[in-house]
Amino acid sequence: EVQPVESGENLVQPGGSLRLSCVASGFTFSNFWMGWIRQAPGKGLEWVASIKQDGSEKNYVDSVKGRFTISRDNAKNSLYLQMSSLRDEDTAVYYCARKRGETWGQGTLVTVSS
Amino acid sequence: DVVMTQSPLSLPVTLGQPASISCRSSQSLVHSDGNTYLNWFQQRPGQSPRRLIYKVTNRDSGVPDRFSGSGSGTDFTLKISRVEAEDVGVYYCMQATHWPWTFGQGTKVEIK
Repeated sequence: EVQPVESGENLVQPGGSLRLSCVASGFTFSNFWMGWIRQAPGKGLEWVASIKQDGSEKNYVDSVKGRFTISRDNAKNSLYLQMSSLRDEDTAVYYCARKRGETWGQGTLVTVSS
Repeated sequence: DVVMTQSPLSLPVTLGQPASISCRSSQSLVHSDGNTYLNWFQQRPGQSPRRLIYKVTNRDSGVPDRFSGSGSGTDFTLKISRVEAEDVGVYYCMQATHWPWTFGQGTKVEIK
């Protein structure tokens, strides 16, 4: 079963914005909750956001509420994370994952630095 | 938020010997639907995390049967019956009962 695939490496200045994408294949994307998890360099894991199958329900960890927006396009098998007002502490590898962590993508590094 | 506390944080083991990791939650992980959403993940060096165990005791497809999960309520354990070289990495417990879903700090398993 193929896992979600995130796009690229990303460098952005503090206060800036960035959109991450994750394209899923090998499963019926529209049937599953999806989420984003991050891991700061050398640190543990933090579940950042989740979104219901039809996008009608979204959950965020407090540290990103009001700054990050999770969304999806089921026609394109794609999951997104719009990040704004980025801070140094948002520097991390961001993974997309299915449901409660059934399968994970390979991760994309986001670096927030001036 | 539910705090997940793992111990030990470092676990040197001899090849072929058993290993055990404890995970305790700050509140019960029994969901209103009756399930206990406690997962275990393995993260090998340089790789993405991989789920090993879901809902306390269920092994994911392809996971060797030397891995087993047990526990209930707030107290959970991951056991490796006989450690192999490929088991080196960091192991995380994670609760997906209460939002925000939270992880333990991780336990680094290395070979003595």
